[in-house]
Amino acid sequence: QKEVEQNSGPLSVPEGAIASLNCTYSDRGSQSFFWYRQYSGKSPELIMSIYSNGDKEDGRFTAQLNKASQYVSLLIRDSQPSDSATYLCAAPSKVDSSYKLIFGSGTRLLVRP
Amino acid sequence: GAVVSQHPSWVICKSGTSVKIECRSLDFQATTMFWYRQFPKQSLMLMATSNEGSKATYEQGVEKDKFLINHASLTLSTLTVTSAHPEDSSFYICSAFGTSALRGLDTQYFGPGTRLTVL
Repeated sequence: QKEVEQNSGPLSVPEGAIASLNCTYSDRGSQSFFWYRQYSGKSPELIMSIYSNGDKEDGRFTAQLNKASQYVSLLIRDSQPSDSATYLCAAPSKVDSSYKLIFGSGTRLLVRP
Repeated sequence: GAVVSQHPSWVICKSGTSVKIECRSLDFQATTMFWYRQFPKQSLMLMATSNEGSKATYEQGVEKDKFLINHASLTLSTLTVTSAHPEDSSFYICSAFGTSALRGLDTQYFGPGTRLTVL
């Protein structure tokens, strides 16, 4: 069973700090990874994707991928209270012709004003 | 803008009635759609995967006769909760796999969810 693991948190950071969210995965064959943000009572929203080793930046968000260590992270710079949410890491799984995303359980982020 | 829509956004029904939830991909054709359920403060739970024109594949423990899924076209999947009971009250979220013209990414996109309350 392919797995994606995340620390459930909560991760508490002060406003303006860098929040670092981490994720490990078991399938060495995974080629792409996704970060979703889910506010309480809402559905998940795609915020970042990463396919290559290294960093990918989009505004205040940076995704980092290390395939050798099977590790993917999401950095949020200048954290704002509005960033308080649960962040889900996901990797695709393809069995035969069937595709689905395997999600971690999510890390709850709390940004303190 | 949204790439997957879901209707209704909330529904309240009496115990024993059936409820249909629609999920549409707006700017891409989705060969595969997924239905999730989420209880308060819990993780997403995948209920079933549906492929256009074929029967849905249900996850272990999900009753296929209670949760009827129809994926009639490349842009529409429906979930019908039959003979709903209070324990079926939950947040139901659909997701479609494809390449959004808006986002330009080949991945799963989520609908806004349907909150079902069974009295």
